[in-house]
Amino acid sequence: GAVVSQHPSRVICKSGTSVKIECRSLDFQATTMFWYRQFPKQSLMLMATSNEGSKATYEQGVEKDKFLINHASLTLSTLTVTSAHPEDSSFYICSARDRAKAYEQYFGPGTRLTVT
Amino acid sequence: QKEVEQNSGPLSVPEGAIASLNCTYSDRGSQSFFWYRQYSGKSPELIMFIYSNGDKEDGRFTAQLNKASQYVSLLIRDSQPSDSATYLCAVNQGSNTGNQFYFGTGTSLTVIP
Repeated sequence: GAVVSQHPSRVICKSGTSVKIECRSLDFQATTMFWYRQFPKQSLMLMATSNEGSKATYEQGVEKDKFLINHASLTLSTLTVTSAHPEDSSFYICSARDRAKAYEQYFGPGTRLTVT
Repeated sequence: QKEVEQNSGPLSVPEGAIASLNCTYSDRGSQSFFWYRQYSGKSPELIMFIYSNGDKEDGRFTAQLNKASQYVSLLIRDSQPSDSATYLCAVNQGSNTGNQFYFGTGTSLTVIP
């Protein structure tokens, strides 16, 4: 149980284009999903907290107009990186909190984004 | 002051030894504590969680929590080379689904065959 999927696992895009990453909780309902970014050899950096049916809460320094988050259902959240630039190249990881187990958070496998 | 602090390591132990990973946190109101393992290039994987003071054992892993000292640790017995990874400590302030997790920067563990 507690499986979180992400799609795509890897994506290469050209500078200036937009990329959408999907995060799904496969066997549980997630009222809250989190989006993280991780640069090589660095720790996880929380970008935003996404609650189903409401606007995402962004961490300080994260541009909400650049990183669009939608949490339309209890099993799906999406992150769209708009007008991507090479400095946006990173490992993007989502996690989901099980509605029935509020204390526990499960991670997706991550999406490696490379912007050329 | 960081919310959650860990020694970055690297920590090296010989195969079969006990690896001890430590974590301190700043918010006394924190209620739940988690250990994640992250292999290079992969996302974190939940190993254990602990809510109450004392020890919690699961196979070769033991989590220890001391809320008075604001300290949580993870012991790995009979360490194996496959345990080589970065271990992340995470702290959650409560049961409110809006509360976020605070992660430490992780401790890199290498188990030497």
